[in-house]
Amino acid sequence: DADVTQTPRNRITKTGKRIMLECSQTKGHDRMYWYRQDPGLGLRLIYYSFDVKDINKGEISDGYSVSRQAQAKFSLSLESAIPNQTALYFCATTSGEDEQFFGPGTRLTVL
Amino acid sequence: GQSLEQPSEVTAVEGAIVQINCTYQTSGFYGLSWYQQHDGGAPTFLSYNALDGLEETGRFSSFLSRSDSYGYLLLQELQMKDSASYFCAAQGNNRLAFGKGNQVVVIP
Repeated sequence: DADVTQTPRNRITKTGKRIMLECSQTKGHDRMYWYRQDPGLGLRLIYYSFDVKDINKGEISDGYSVSRQAQAKFSLSLESAIPNQTALYFCATTSGEDEQFFGPGTRLTVL
Repeated sequence: GQSLEQPSEVTAVEGAIVQINCTYQTSGFYGLSWYQQHDGGAPTFLSYNALDGLEETGRFSSFLSRSDSYGYLLLQELQMKDSASYFCAAQGNNRLAFGKGNQVVVIP
């Protein structure tokens, strides 16, 4: 089984809809991250969390919210989706400063 | 703040050597990582440099100069499976800032 899983893998939705992307990890790491990737660009940090009670904004948090339900689960919500939120979303986890382990990604399309 | 600069694309033949450069401006800089990403796939970790110098892992090596805010990834003995995007990522202030990536295309 994969160490970091994301659901759904693909989603098409309409402008104004609420969307939740979920991430689970079995690596026992405390640190979890959400990134988005647009074509031709690197990954940009949306939110990150170092434990269940810790939530921090990244560089592009506007229009997004997160919930850290447990050490293993970190979900990303788009309260009212808009077309420019169409992107590939990755969840990642790490135990420290070096290697981050990424999930397979969620491809989100907002029409 | 954080910003990283990487050139965009390089094409090389199998067996060749490719160097991908990265410059960064990162407050609270801690270390520089490199990730590989195949089309549509998840980024996978290649290497991490916290100290100046060269780290070698098989065919891939990574270098860091903290005084120059510069690093590079060296891909040796290129194979077709090395065709991918390569990202540098600067660790600082408890977060990673990724460069825009460099696409490497390996041809026979």
